[in-house]
Amino acid sequence: GAVVSQHPSWVICKSGTSVKIECRSLDFQATTMFWYRQFPKQSLMLMATSNEGSKATYEQGVEKDKFLINHASLTLSTLTVTSAHPEDSSFYICSALRDGGFSNQPQHFGDGTRLSIL
Amino acid sequence: EDQVTQSPEALRLQEGESSSLNCSYTVSGLRGLFWYRQDPGKGPEFLFTLYSAGEEKEKERLKATLTKKESFLHITAPKPEDSATYLCAVQESKSGSARQLTFGSGTQLTVLP
Repeated sequence: GAVVSQHPSWVICKSGTSVKIECRSLDFQATTMFWYRQFPKQSLMLMATSNEGSKATYEQGVEKDKFLINHASLTLSTLTVTSAHPEDSSFYICSALRDGGFSNQPQHFGDGTRLSIL
Repeated sequence: EDQVTQSPEALRLQEGESSSLNCSYTVSGLRGLFWYRQDPGKGPEFLFTLYSAGEEKEKERLKATLTKKESFLHITAPKPEDSATYLCAVQESKSGSARQLTFGSGTQLTVLP
């Protein structure tokens, strides 16, 4: 159980285009999901908390107009990198919390999306 | 501000050579400390949650322990398949934290055959 699927796993696109990344909880409902960014040989940096039915909460320094988050259902959150530039190239990872679980339950992670902007 | 520091940054072991990874943390109140394993190009895989000082959890060759200031991940008789980056994360017990995690920078473990 507790499977989180992330798609696509890898994307290359030209500078200026927008890229959408999907995060799905396959076998549980998730009101709360998280989006992280990871640079090579560095740890995960939280970008935003995605809440089903409400606006996402962004961490300090993360541009909400640049990184659009939509959590339209209890099993799907999307991250859209708008007008992407080479500095947006990174490894993006999502995680999900199972609804109904205790407050300190673990987050379950997807396998990440490698984004390369040319 | 929460701080999580992992050491060493990298560790190379011979197969069968036991060792420990360290995770030091500073939080105003700990709700939970989490250990994850991350393979290259993959997302973190959950290993353990520890909630209070003195607690221990075991899974195969791994054993996690917790004190009020740090956690250790002990690896007994490691095998090459244990090679990965091991991440430690803490969740602070404050209202409005939305169950967020603060991650350490990880320990990259290589087990040589």
